[in-house]
Amino acid sequence: NAGVTQTPKFRILKIGQSMTLQCTQDMNHNYMYWYRQDPGMGLKLIYYSVGAGITDKGEVPNGYNVSRSTTEDFPLRLELAAPSQTSVYFCASRQSGRGTDTQYFGPGTRLTVL
Amino acid sequence: GESVGLHLPTLSVQEGDNSIINCAYSNSASDYFIWYKQESGKGPQFIIDIRSNMDKRQGQRVTVLLNKTVKHLSLQIAATQPGDSAVYFCAESVGGNTPLVFGKGTRLSVIA
Repeated sequence: NAGVTQTPKFRILKIGQSMTLQCTQDMNHNYMYWYRQDPGMGLKLIYYSVGAGITDKGEVPNGYNVSRSTTEDFPLRLELAAPSQTSVYFCASRQSGRGTDTQYFGPGTRLTVL
Repeated sequence: GESVGLHLPTLSVQEGDNSIINCAYSNSASDYFIWYKQESGKGPQFIIDIRSNMDKRQGQRVTVLLNKTVKHLSLQIAATQPGDSAVYFCAESVGGNTPLVFGKGTRLSVIA
């Protein structure tokens, strides 16, 4: 299994541009998550999904949108990029059910908005 | 310990010594706790976890201790190696489909 994969690895955007960060997992996990990590800080939850067709806001959802049309994919959309969205973005997934709380993370996408 | 701001708390240890990284969690209803290791430029990597019905759990060279009375979690690394240098995050969850809530992180620096 490849686990959780994210593309692109790096991206530079201009203010007002839009882009989609891709996340795919091949572990058949029901739950998927998007976090952002600012320099020297912990991870903040943006959005999460407990299954295809279901998404919920996390701690910092403003400026982002998500969709979950399949179990494998959970793309994160930035519609109007702002400098405050400069960060490293991590996608994670986990299986549902008791005793399976461990979240597995992708390698991250480093986004700079200028 | 934890602090807010641009600079993570840093723990420096000599190679071969034991390391203890501490974490104060916030929610007394949390019943699942986990430690992640994050190396520079990489995503967080699972180290060890523990449920609230336990107070200690051991892995390979790592031990997690849970004190629910004072809402404190610690990660002990035995015989610390240069490869252990990283940022370590604790996280908590109340279970079910509730996402993990992450602490601020501690940077471990191993001196060879």
